[in-house]
Amino acid sequence: NAGVTQTPKFRILKIGQSMTLQCAQDMNHNYMYWYRQDPGMGLKLIYYSVGAGITDKGEVPNGYNVSRSTTEDFPLRLELAAPSQTSVYFCASSYSWGGRYQETQYFGPGTRLLVL
Amino acid sequence: KNEVEQSPQNLTAQEGEFITINCSYSVGISALHWLQQHPGGGIVSLFMLSSGKKKHGRLIATINIQEKHSSLHITASHPRDSAVYICAVVPMYSGGGADGLTFGKGTHLIIQP
Repeated sequence: NAGVTQTPKFRILKIGQSMTLQCAQDMNHNYMYWYRQDPGMGLKLIYYSVGAGITDKGEVPNGYNVSRSTTEDFPLRLELAAPSQTSVYFCASSYSWGGRYQETQYFGPGTRLLVL
Repeated sequence: KNEVEQSPQNLTAQEGEFITINCSYSVGISALHWLQQHPGGGIVSLFMLSSGKKKHGRLIATINIQEKHSSLHITASHPRDSAVYICAVVPMYSGGGADGLTFGKGTHLIIQP
């Protein structure tokens, strides 16, 4: 199993540009998450999904959009990039059948994004 | 608002030393996670616990629900243990919502040979 994969690993964007961060998992997990990690700060949840076709906002959703058309894929879309979106983005997945967040989360390697 | 505080923020120790990293939180929780972030950036889940103690190899995690405190211990530390260790909690009030996970800022550990 590849686990959780993310592309690209690194990207530089100009202000106002758009891009999609790709995330895929091959573990048949129902839950998927997008986090951002800023220097010196804890991870913050952007969006999450509890299954194909179902997504919801996390703590810091502004400026982002997601979709989940399949169990495997959970892309994150930045529509109008701003310097405040410079961060490292992590995708994660878990299999949860009972108490959410009781289960181990598996993280992707991260995407480093720089908006200039 | 739930706060998760870790201490120390930075820790440098010599190989072989016993390491303790602490995590305190301000609200009732249903579970606590310890994660390890490697120098290359990858994040790995180490433990999930809701009571007592868990052990995996040289790593031991304990939690005291009443005192709202957890510790991560590393015995016989080794340079390969150098990483950022992150505590994350699931608040009781999250009601099962996926946005209930709150992360600490991490403890940056360096083990010198």
